[in-house]
Amino acid sequence: GGIITQTPKFLIGQEGQKLTLKCQQNFNHDTMYWYRQDSGKGLRLIYYSITENDLQKGDLSEGYDASREKKSSFSLTVTSAQKNEMAVFLCASSKGGANTEVFFGKGTRLTVV
Amino acid sequence: GDSVIQMQGQVTLSENDFLFINCTYSTTGYPTLFWYVQYSGEGPQLLLQVTTANNKGSSRGFEATYDKGTTSFHLQKTSVQEIDSAVYYCAMRDNSNYQLIWGSGTKLIIKP
Repeated sequence: GGIITQTPKFLIGQEGQKLTLKCQQNFNHDTMYWYRQDSGKGLRLIYYSITENDLQKGDLSEGYDASREKKSSFSLTVTSAQKNEMAVFLCASSKGGANTEVFFGKGTRLTVV
Repeated sequence: GDSVIQMQGQVTLSENDFLFINCTYSTTGYPTLFWYVQYSGEGPQLLLQVTTANNKGSSRGFEATYDKGTTSFHLQKTSVQEIDSAVYYCAMRDNSNYQLIWGSGTKLIIKP
């Protein structure tokens, strides 16, 4: 088996601050994802990457940057934190392809003060 | 475009009750449909995958099927237990880019 590690688990930032969330996976998966989870709204895709140095925008990419530095790591930057984006950010990975399972980390909870 | 709608935001049951959660989908292609479960403090994890209409997927006492005629798919369990308390998400694979389209989740509360 493998594991997806997200750091930090809790992140508190000030409004307007630039904040970075990190994610590592040891599945050797090609595809990695960042989702935002708001209560009662399901999961919304921010960015995904199908291979090292690749970057694809999801539906919620505005206000975020991402970087796939190497196959095992994928980071997400909140460019200017806003109070209305307090949520849980979930990193995930998969082999890729139509029927492959997506594996998730435990999330980073962002609070903006 | 493709979409998934999960209407039940919360379901409250007693132990040994029957569980039924429904989602509807919209797509032009042949969907692959999933149920994920998220326990408190964890990320979502795959519970079931259904790739063919009217075929039944099953795992851990849960069953899922989808009906192409009504474009709906559902998750059921005959007798729920307290350990089943979680949020259940339906999802559909977008066949154009292979990304998952998620329902909004159903929180299952089991009264002891």
